[in-house]
Order: sequence, then C-alpha cells, then structure tokens
Amino acid sequence: GENVEQHPSTLSVQEGDSAVIKCTYSDSASNYFPWYKQELGKRPQLIIDIRSNVGEKKDQRIAVTLNKTAKHFSLHITETQPEDSAVYFCAASIWYGNKLVFGAGTILRVKS
Amino acid sequence: GAVVSQHPSRVICKSGTSVKIECRSLDFQATTMFWYRQFPKQSLMLMATSNEGSKATYEQGVEKDKFLINHASLTLSTLTVTSAHPEDSSFYICSARDQTTYEQYFGPGTRLTVT
Repeated sequence: GENVEQHPSTLSVQEGDSAVIKCTYSDSASNYFPWYKQELGKRPQLIIDIRSNVGEKKDQRIAVTLNKTAKHFSLHITETQPEDSAVYFCAASIWYGNKLVFGAGTILRVKS
Repeated sequence: GAVVSQHPSRVICKSGTSVKIECRSLDFQATTMFWYRQFPKQSLMLMATSNEGSKATYEQGVEKDKFLINHASLTLSTLTVTSAHPEDSSFYICSARDQTTYEQYFGPGTRLTVT
C-alpha cells in the first residue's frame, strides 16, 4: 500500500521567513496530494492540494510543487506569520475523493 | 462550506463499556465516510471506509469486531468502540465525501478517554 514520509518533524522559523515541508510517496498510482493544517484539538483543514497533471499550484502565500518522477511534493509558505504555527500534514490518494494516507506531520513554529 | 458534525465531542467511559460516535454530513449526502484515529502528537491513521448500505472496509490491523461501523443513511455513519480499553483512548475523526463533488470534509473529532 501507499506510504508517505514527511520531513522535517519540527520546523522553527522567524516571522517573515519562508518554510518548506517535504513529502515523498511510494505508490506511483497516487495522483492527488492535499496539505492540511491542524491546530491542537481541532479538525484538519485543507489549505492547498495538487493533482498529478500539474507541477505547481499557488494560493497567495502558500504553494505546492509536485515531482511525479521523483515521487515527492513540497509545501512552501512564504512571509510566515505567527498564526501559521500549527501541525501540517501532507497526504496522498490514488484519486480525488478516495481514502487518504497521511504523512507523520510537521510542527511549524513561527517566532515573532 | 459543507459541514460535518461529530457527536459527542468528548466522552469518558469505563473500561469494558461500549461507546458510539456519530458522524453526520449536515448539508450534503455522503455515500462514503472515512474513520481515522489520531493518537497524541501523531498522524491520522485510517481505520475504515464506511459505505452507505454496505459493509465497511477495514484497514489492515483494525479489528472489525471491536470497531463496529454502521452507515445506515446518506448523512450518518456511526463508529462503536466495543469493550473499550485504555489503549483505545484517542482522537477519532471522520470525514465525509460529498457524493456529487467528491470533496472530503472532516468532522471536528471526538476525544475518547477510557478509564
């Protein structure tokens, strides 16, 4: 089955700096890759996603890149703010709407 | 946006008892719902896929007789933790898939503590 690895497990950045979180997946059949932000005790919130027919997608300060050949995808957050502090999870699915396999998560701390 | 609710939000039960958790899609129909478990400071692990009108599909290693899933309508799936033990204490989160758009929406989660 699918296996998703996520790095780093924790990331501390200064406010205004960029943050990058990377994930790799094992199943070449996967073609949907969402990113979730989860605050303590809350539900995961979808922040951006990408499908395998594109290599990059951007939404304001957040961007995701996908390299299908290498089977890895990354989340980029620019101009980080304290409210970006949370746990971020990447996930993979063989098709949009199917079950998700999550990475282990990255604790992002933005220091002001 | 679409809303998914879970009830209860938190529950404390004694070891050996059973607990039922409800997952409802409030403004859309969901033929498929997913149940995840999340231990403290860990990731979400899929337990099972709940299909309306048919048996749930369990992930490897998940005991189907312990975690009973019923998806009796297009807006409701229930997870019953039977004969709960302290090691079942966890955060249980459902997600519901809109049958029209295929978009998934997560519920707010249920914190289960077994004493």
